[in-house]
Amino acid sequence: GAGVSQSPSNKVTEKGKDVELRCDPISGHTALYWYRQSLGQGLEFLIYFQGNSAPDKSGLPSDRFSAERTGGSVSTLTIQRTQQEDSAVYLCASSSRGKQETQYFGPGTRLLVL
Amino acid sequence: GENVEQHPSTLSVQEGDSAVIKCTYSDSASNYFPWYKQELGKGPQLIIDIRSNVGEKKDQRIAVTLNKTAKHFSLHITETQPEDSAVYFCAATPTYKYIFGTGTRLKVLA
Repeated sequence: GAGVSQSPSNKVTEKGKDVELRCDPISGHTALYWYRQSLGQGLEFLIYFQGNSAPDKSGLPSDRFSAERTGGSVSTLTIQRTQQEDSAVYLCASSSRGKQETQYFGPGTRLLVL
Repeated sequence: GENVEQHPSTLSVQEGDSAVIKCTYSDSASNYFPWYKQELGKGPQLIIDIRSNVGEKKDQRIAVTLNKTAKHFSLHITETQPEDSAVYFCAATPTYKYIFGTGTRLKVLA
């Protein structure tokens, strides 16, 4: 079956612009995660969605970052007024239920803020 | 809070040799331990995982061992090949969040 997909694969934007990153999880997976990976670094947790529960937003670095998950499926990560330090790879993952289950990652969106 | 330490940060081996990457975790609530391989420009891919009710799991050239008492788990790759070159991440899972190690860059020299 299809895996996690993300779009766009690459995004170049100018400082101060808003960007939207999209994630399509594996069909039927109720849990969805966003991570940020700076060049050569590890994975930084951003936000977690599980079914209809309130999301865990504890990893969002500032109020310029927000995310939605519509209909329990597709998710959009929005970064407002982008800064150069937002340049990174943004990864999405989904799992069947969340707690202590396998997460399957998408290919990521490479964001470059000029 | 939970912390996962991963060593070494870089590892170079000759093709055909074995590679071992070690992780330690702090939260005894963790009972699922996945390992991911990340190739350049790609997302992390699960290569093997282990749950706390077993001590070892093997899949062809890859094996993972778990010592819950010592809170250690390790990835073993035998007969390494150039295509094994990548960054490897371990993770512990005390809750719905993964706590990732900092990664090991493995280079297999032909």
